[in-house]
Amino acid sequence: KQEVTQIPAALSVPEGENLVLNCSFTDSAIYNLQWFRQDPGKGLTSLLLIQSSQREQTSGRLNASLDKSSGRSTLYIAASQPGDSATYLCAATSGGGSEKLVFGKGTKLTVNP
Amino acid sequence: GAGVSQSPSNKVTEKGKDVELRCDPISGHTALYWYRQSLGQGLEFLIYFQGNSAPDKSGLPSDRFSAERTGGSVSTLTIQRTQQEDSAVYLCASSLAQGIRDTQYFGPGTRLTVL
Repeated sequence: KQEVTQIPAALSVPEGENLVLNCSFTDSAIYNLQWFRQDPGKGLTSLLLIQSSQREQTSGRLNASLDKSSGRSTLYIAASQPGDSATYLCAATSGGGSEKLVFGKGTKLTVNP
Repeated sequence: GAGVSQSPSNKVTEKGKDVELRCDPISGHTALYWYRQSLGQGLEFLIYFQGNSAPDKSGLPSDRFSAERTGGSVSTLTIQRTQQEDSAVYLCASSLAQGIRDTQYFGPGTRLTVL
């Protein structure tokens, strides 16, 4: 059974700092891993999707890496801005032919001006 | 184009009543998912549709929960005889083709409160 853990649960940083959010998963037989952003009272916005054959994906100031062998993924945010404040969720496919995503509980990021 | 829409945005009901939650996916998206997000919990998968069929219903918590999708588009999640533990935000997502192979696009959710 796939389990996804995100550490830390909350993170507060000053504006301009580079930061890393961590995600770990127990079943390495994933199809892909996805990072989402959730703003208060809103749905999720997809940030990056990494296929199992890939090691990383980049979009603007965001870079996500995937290490299947160790069951880890990281989301790197460069030059953080107050507008980056949100909850970041990691989700891994559950394996075994299932079509569902298993989500972590998220990291709540606050970027202070 | 329009994103995933859900209605109502908020629903308050009394224990024991039935509720229906609606999801309109992005036009042309064949895969549709329902999730539940409870206070302090992560997102919990409920059910997956490919077209009108539901190959994975494994996340439905009890037989009080059911969902259908008609015309390969709109989906309705029905909760019968609601309980207080059903209070949560119910999120719908759609993707273009074969489910997990594509990015999922989420709606804003329906906040359900059972008194």
